[in-house]
Formats: sequence, structure tokens, C-alpha cells
Amino acid sequence: KQEVTQIPAALSVPEGENLVLNCSFTDSAIYNLQWFRQDPGKGLTSLLLIQSSQREQTSGRLNASLDKSSGRSTLYIAASQPGDSATYLCAVSPWSGYQKVTFGIGTKLQVIP
Amino acid sequence: EAGVTQSPTHLIKTRGQQATLRCSPISGHTSVYWYQQALGLGLQFLLWYDEGEERNRGNFPPRFSGRQFPNYSSELNVNALELEDSALYLCASSYDGQGATEAFFGQGTRLTVV
Repeated sequence: KQEVTQIPAALSVPEGENLVLNCSFTDSAIYNLQWFRQDPGKGLTSLLLIQSSQREQTSGRLNASLDKSSGRSTLYIAASQPGDSATYLCAVSPWSGYQKVTFGIGTKLQVIP
Repeated sequence: EAGVTQSPTHLIKTRGQQATLRCSPISGHTSVYWYQQALGLGLQFLLWYDEGEERNRGNFPPRFSGRQFPNYSSELNVNALELEDSALYLCASSYDGQGATEAFFGQGTRLTVV
């Protein structure tokens, strides 16, 4: 059974810092990995999708990497802003499709002005 | 283009009642997924519909059911509500059911059972 762990559970940083969020998974037979952002009481906003054949994806100040063999992904946020404050979720999808996707509990990020 | 829309935003029900939650996928998406996010827990997969058929369900009792309509919108029904059913219910849609494309989520329905 796939398990997804996100460390740290919570993170507080001053505005402008670069930061790294970690995601690890136990079964390396994945189809893709997706990073989401969730604001309190809201739905999920897709940030980046990395296919299993890819090593990284970039969007603006965000960069996500994937090391499938070691079961790890990182989300790098450059020059953090208060608007980045949210919970960041990592989700791993197996070859059998999205209905079997496993989510991590998330990392709650607070960027202090 | 409209995203995934869910209604209602909030729903308060009494234990034992039935709740109906609705989801409209992004235009062109045929797969709809339902997830439960209880406070402090990760998202748990509930149901997957594709082309009008239930394709898979998660580890939830039969009182959680749903359907998908010809226009690909979907409905989640929860019968005999229990206090622990209180959660944020999220709907997602994707172009395909194989996970090759991104899934997009709605804003959720907050169900409170009192």
C-alpha cells in the first residue's frame, strides 16, 4: 500500500526566504506526482504535475523535482511571499489511474511579512 | 473557462438524515472523483465515475453512493448521516481516468452533521 509522507508538517519563514518542502513515498511504481496548494477550508489548486519519466517541473517561483528511485520529491519556493501561506499537498498516482491517488497530509506554510 | 464547481458550499444536517452534494466538471472532462477530507486527515478517495459509470470506490460503507449524469456532472449521496461524516468533500475532474493528465479540484462542500 502506497504511503506518502510530508515533512515538515508546518513551517514558518520570513518573507523573501527560499524554502524546500519534502514529500516521500514508499512505492516507486508511480505514474505521476502532483503538488497542490490548499487555502483554509478551500479546494485544491494544482501547482505542478511531474510525470514519472520527468525529473523536474518549473512554474514561476516554483520548482518541483522527482527522484522516483529513492521515492522523493521536493517543492522549492523561491523568494517566498505572504500570499504563499497555505497548506501544500503532495499526491502520488499509480499506473492504475487517478482513482488510486494517495495524498500526503500536507505541509502548512506561513510566510511572515 | 469555468473550473470544477461544487454546490452547496456549506451543508448542515442532522444525524440520520441524507445529504446530496453536487459537482460539475470542467467542460470536456469525463472523469469525476470524490474525496473526503476530515479535519486533520489527508484526502481519502471515495468514488470515481467515468462515462456515466462507477469505476471504483474507496473503503467507505455503502451509504456513500453517487451517480454521474449524461452531461458528466455528478452527485454524491450520503445516507444515514453520522457525526463522523462531518468533513470537506472535494470533487475533482480530469480528461482521462488513467492519471495522464492533471486533475482539477472544486472548492468543496463543507458538510457538518449535528
